[in-house]
Formats: sequence, C-alpha cells, structure tokens
Amino acid sequence: GQQLNQSPQSMFIQEGEDVSMNCTSSSIFNTWLWYKQDPGEGPVLLIALYKAGELTSNGRLTAQFGITRKDSFLNISASIPSDVGIYFCAGCNAGNMLTFGGGTRLMVKP
Amino acid sequence: EAGVAQSPRYKIIEKRQSVAFWCNPISGHATLYWYQQILGQGPKLLIQFQNNGVVDDSQLPKDRFSAERLKGVDSTLKIQPAKLEDSAVYLCASSLYYSGRAGGELFFGEGSRLTVL
Repeated sequence: GQQLNQSPQSMFIQEGEDVSMNCTSSSIFNTWLWYKQDPGEGPVLLIALYKAGELTSNGRLTAQFGITRKDSFLNISASIPSDVGIYFCAGCNAGNMLTFGGGTRLMVKP
Repeated sequence: EAGVAQSPRYKIIEKRQSVAFWCNPISGHATLYWYQQILGQGPKLLIQFQNNGVVDDSQLPKDRFSAERLKGVDSTLKIQPAKLEDSAVYLCASSLYYSGRAGGELFFGEGSRLTVL
C-alpha cells in the first residue's frame, strides 16, 4: 500500500525558533494535508493543499504541495508552547481516502 | 455545531473477549471512517462508509473486526475475539465529501482507547 515518510520523527526546540518538517511518498497524491494531534485527542486539520506547487499559509503555519506531487513540507514560525503535539501529513486521492504519515513529535522548551 | 462523538473513551479487556465502539458523526456528513492508531504511529484506515455503503475495507481484519452503519448515520465497530496487538486508539472521523469536491477534510472524534491484556 501507499506509504508516507515523515521527517524528522521528533524535534525538541526552543520557544521562538522556526520549525520545518516534511513528508515524502513513493506515490502521487491529488491533495496533501497537515493535521495536528494533541494528547488524548483526535487529529485536527491545519492546512489543505489542492494543487501541485501550491503554497498556503494559516497564521504562523506555511505548507507547500511539492511540484512532483510526491512531497510536502510544513513550516511553523516563531514557535510557542502550544505548538507542542504530533504533526501528521496525509495524502488524499480519489474517493476521499487518506493515507497518514508516521508523525513528527514536536516539543517546545519555554 | 457538535463534533464527532465516540464511546467509550477507554476500554480494558482480556484477550479473546469482544468489544464494541460507537460513533456518531457530524450531522449531515455522508462519509464516515474508522481508523486504528497504534501508539507512536499514524492513523491507519480500517473502513470507510459513504452513507450506509462500504467504500473501502481492504485493511479491515475481517476474521475478527466488523463494522456497520445501518441507517447511514451512526456506526459501530466490533472486535471479536480481541488479540493483544489490537491495543490501540480507535478513531472515528466524518467528512462532507461528495464526488467532485476536493477531499481530505476529515473531522475526528476523541477516540476510544482499547487495552487488551
């Protein structure tokens, strides 16, 4: 089946630093999405990307849909303690079927 | 607007016992998903419903897992008999997806955490 590889697996950064994480796939996706999961909660959608090459921002978050349609990255600027959590990329194709990556665990030191 | 409701939040059972999880999606959402999330991993799709029909259940271990969405609204996921490796969080999600619309916008419940001893 399709697999998404996320990196890094975990990050421990200082508050105020910028963060970058990415996701690669051996398969093409029509849509790339980034979700965040807090402990004890379900994932929450942060950003959705629908066109190859698309660059989209949501507050301090910026994500890009790779031109090959096989990768995406997420940047977080000026991190704050509430950014702590697990970030998942997900690829979506026909039928609204999502495949999730393994996640990047972000820890922020105040 | 009420979110996706799941119950129970936690369940502890012995191996070979059975368990059932319930999900009520956001009102009006035609598509419902069950995902399994093992600790330290991303969610893995078990089954996807469109209204009361199954769209994809290729990763559902059908010898022990079953799911239904009889009236096209709420859904039940059952495991019988449970194995140790079934210990995970079972996430239900719903979406407004319909053919032709850009997809991927799923709304998740809080999950049901299963521990099999």
